[in-house]
Amino acid sequence: AQSVTQLGSHVSVSEGALVLLRCNYSSSVPPYLFWYVQYPNQGLQLLLKYTTGATLVKGINGFEAEFKKSETSFHLTKPSAHMSDAAEYFCAVTRMDSSYKLIFGSGTRLLVRP
Amino acid sequence: EPEVTQTPSHQVTQMGQEVILRCVPISNHLYFYWYRQILGQKVEFLVSFYNNEISEKSEIFDDQFSVERPDGSNFTLKIRSTKLEDSAMYFCASGLAGAPEQYFGPGTRLTVT
Repeated sequence: AQSVTQLGSHVSVSEGALVLLRCNYSSSVPPYLFWYVQYPNQGLQLLLKYTTGATLVKGINGFEAEFKKSETSFHLTKPSAHMSDAAEYFCAVTRMDSSYKLIFGSGTRLLVRP
Repeated sequence: EPEVTQTPSHQVTQMGQEVILRCVPISNHLYFYWYRQILGQKVEFLVSFYNNEISEKSEIFDDQFSVERPDGSNFTLKIRSTKLEDSAMYFCASGLAGAPEQYFGPGTRLTVT
């Protein structure tokens, strides 16, 4: 079975500081990994994805994530936080030999201090 | 940019009633999904639908739930005999055949009283 663990239900950073949101996964087969963002009262927006190939993937709004198989991690980073980045971020995993159902982590709420 | 839409945005119903949540997936997508998020909890997979049939369902998706694609554009989730614990945000998602990424709608908040 697949699972996702997001360390830290809340992360607070200052505007301009590095953002690091942690995600570890468990999968018996090569995973596909995603980060989604949810702004207040909105749906889930795809930030970035890892399927195959380059392990460092870039997404929208300056975010990127690196797939590290040896560490079973897919941490999300952004060099400089902006106030508009305040939202909830979800890491998710799926697998090729399924209907691509997504298994989500519990989410991390990012707070950006002025 | 095409997007998934859902109606209504908020549905209030009494316990025991039936509700139908509606979704219009992105037009060239062939995989359709329903997820739910109980307040303060994880987003949970309910069901996936492809080629006019359920391709996978979770333990949550029991006989109380059903899905349908009644025409070429809509995808619905029916919940029969609603219970208080069905109160949640329900998200519809769609994806291209052979592609793992899914695109989500804004959700329907279901409140069962």
